[in-house]
Amino acid sequence: SQTIHQWPATLVQPVGSPLSLECTVEGTSNPNLYWYRQAAGRGLQLLFYSVGIGQISSEVPQNLSASRPQDRQFILSSKKLLLSDSGFYLCAWSTGLSTDTQYFGPGTRLTVL
Amino acid sequence: GDSVTQMEGPVTLSEEAFLTINCTYTATGYPSLFWYVQYPGEGLQLLLKATKADDKGSNKGFEATYRKETTSFHLEKGSVQVSDSAVYFCALSEVSGSARQLTFGSGTQLTVLP
Repeated sequence: SQTIHQWPATLVQPVGSPLSLECTVEGTSNPNLYWYRQAAGRGLQLLFYSVGIGQISSEVPQNLSASRPQDRQFILSSKKLLLSDSGFYLCAWSTGLSTDTQYFGPGTRLTVL
Repeated sequence: GDSVTQMEGPVTLSEEAFLTINCTYTATGYPSLFWYVQYPGEGLQLLLKATKADDKGSNKGFEATYRKETTSFHLEKGSVQVSDSAVYFCALSEVSGSARQLTFGSGTQLTVLP
């Protein structure tokens, strides 16, 4: 069966520090991968998605970036965090374009102070 | 663009009460519709889905019917339990670029009291 992992589970970082969040998927090949952010008390906002290694599409202009160095690995990064980057970051995967169900990881709670 | 509008929360019910959480959508094509549930401190879990008009999704006693004429996908459960306390998200999925993307509603917090 397929599983999705995210780490770290929680992170507290100062403003201006770098960020690296990692997501890995097991049990499937060539998944579509997604990064979402959930701000406190709000819905989910799609940040990035990827349909293959090295292929990244950005949905919202911001100081975050994403990379996919391996088929089942998706990384969210920032060079300098802002207070507004605080939130709950969720990674998700789907099997491909013809399958529209996305499966979510446990999330990373990021607090920027 | 596509959008999803959910009933404002929070919703507080007594155990065994009937639940309805309203969801309406705006989309240019024929989206698939979903309900996801988020328990405290956790990621989202797929609760149910429907891929075409008049389809009914069901799981764990929850149901929702894809109503194209009213562009709605309301979530219902006949008798809620304390363990149903969570945030519920309605979402739609359409092709955008080279992938399918989910558009979420803002979520509805449900608290069930014993």
